[in-house]
Amino acid sequence: GAVVSQHPSWVICKSGTSVKIECRSLDFQATTMFWYRQFPKQSLMLMATSNEGSKATYEQGVEKDKFLINHASLTLSTLTVTSAHPEDSSFYICSANDPGLAVGAYNEQFFGPGTRLTVL
Amino acid sequence: AQTVTQSQPEMSVQEAETVTLSCTYDTSENNYYLFWYKQPPSRQMILVIRQEAYKQQNATENRFSVNFQKAAKSFSLKISDSQLGDTAMYFCAFKSYTGTASKLTFGTGTRLQVTL
Repeated sequence: GAVVSQHPSWVICKSGTSVKIECRSLDFQATTMFWYRQFPKQSLMLMATSNEGSKATYEQGVEKDKFLINHASLTLSTLTVTSAHPEDSSFYICSANDPGLAVGAYNEQFFGPGTRLTVL
Repeated sequence: AQTVTQSQPEMSVQEAETVTLSCTYDTSENNYYLFWYKQPPSRQMILVIRQEAYKQQNATENRFSVNFQKAAKSFSLKISDSQLGDTAMYFCAFKSYTGTASKLTFGTGTRLQVTL
């Protein structure tokens, strides 16, 4: 149980184009999903917190107009990198909470396998 | 804001030996959670172990155990009987106690290499 998938697993695009990455919770409903970015040999940096049916909350320094997040259903959140440039090349990881597994204030985050974006 | 520090960028251990990975953190909160995550070459994040700050007893999970020193804000991971499959990046992470959907703050990671 508690499986999170991402699609695509890798994508190569030309500079200036937009790329959409999907994050799905396969066997649970996720009211909250998180989007992370990981540069090579570095840690995960939270980009935004996505709540179903409402606007995402972006971390300081993350351009909300460049990284569009939509959480239209309880099982799907999408991250769209608009007008991608080579500096946007990175590994993008999503995670999701399963409210049904919450114990008190603890609610484990389940991570997707990540998407490698390369912008030429 | 919380910060998590891992001072060991790389560690190496021989198979069957024991290794300890260090983590310190800074917070003004009294109740929180601490985690160790493993990221193998596949890049899939895997939860290794979790510690609730209000619990004095150190968490254990098979070959993995932690040394949680709340006053010192230290949270080290001990891996016993190291196996080749333990080779991975290990991230220490902090989560606030307030709100079930609160975010994780990760440390910079320690790359562990298990050798024959």
